[in-house]
Amino acid sequence: QKEVEQNSGPLSVPEGAIASLNCTYSDRGSQSFFWYRQYSGKSPELIMSIYSNGDKEDGRFTAQLNKASQYVSLLIRDSQPSDSATYLCAVRGSGAGSYQLTFGKGTKLSVIP
Amino acid sequence: DADVTQTPRNRITKTGKRIMLECSQTKGHDRMYWYRQDPGLGLRLIYYSFDVKDINKGEISDGYSVSRQAQAKFSLSLESAIPNQTALYFCATSDFGGASENEQFFGPGTRLTVL
Repeated sequence: QKEVEQNSGPLSVPEGAIASLNCTYSDRGSQSFFWYRQYSGKSPELIMSIYSNGDKEDGRFTAQLNKASQYVSLLIRDSQPSDSATYLCAVRGSGAGSYQLTFGKGTKLSVIP
Repeated sequence: DADVTQTPRNRITKTGKRIMLECSQTKGHDRMYWYRQDPGLGLRLIYYSFDVKDINKGEISDGYSVSRQAQAKFSLSLESAIPNQTALYFCATSDFGGASENEQFFGPGTRLTVL
């Protein structure tokens, strides 16, 4: 059973601070990693994808991947109240069914003005 | 704009009824997926399709069936709805090949309530 684990939160950060969201996965052969943002009652929105070890930056977002530790994280700099949402980590595994994504249950982020 | 649409957006039905949820996309993607989302359980894959002739079961396919009528259309049916199928249902699409393979894009969702 391929598993993706996230702290459910809520994670509360003050406006302007850095929010750090973490995700671990069980399938060591996993190849592709994604972060989605989901506002309450809305659909998941892809915000970052990362495929190789290291950091990937896009605006205020930085995804970090460490395959040896089976760990992926998302940093949000200069957090804004509009960043308050649930963040879903998704992983494409290896082997049979590897085209499927396994989603974590999400971390709820609250940015306090 | 290229998009993923779902109908209906909300549906209330009764136990034992057959219901169909529809998904259409204008992204030109080959791959389409159906998920359900329940509080505390996250997103779970029901069925997926890589083209019109390729349908695959996901993690929780029991009680559901699908039809891929065209590249752009993928329908989910509940043959005999039961209350524990009450959930938020999402359709998603992804492209084949290239750097963006497996980036999935979601429709707005259908909130289904089975009484």
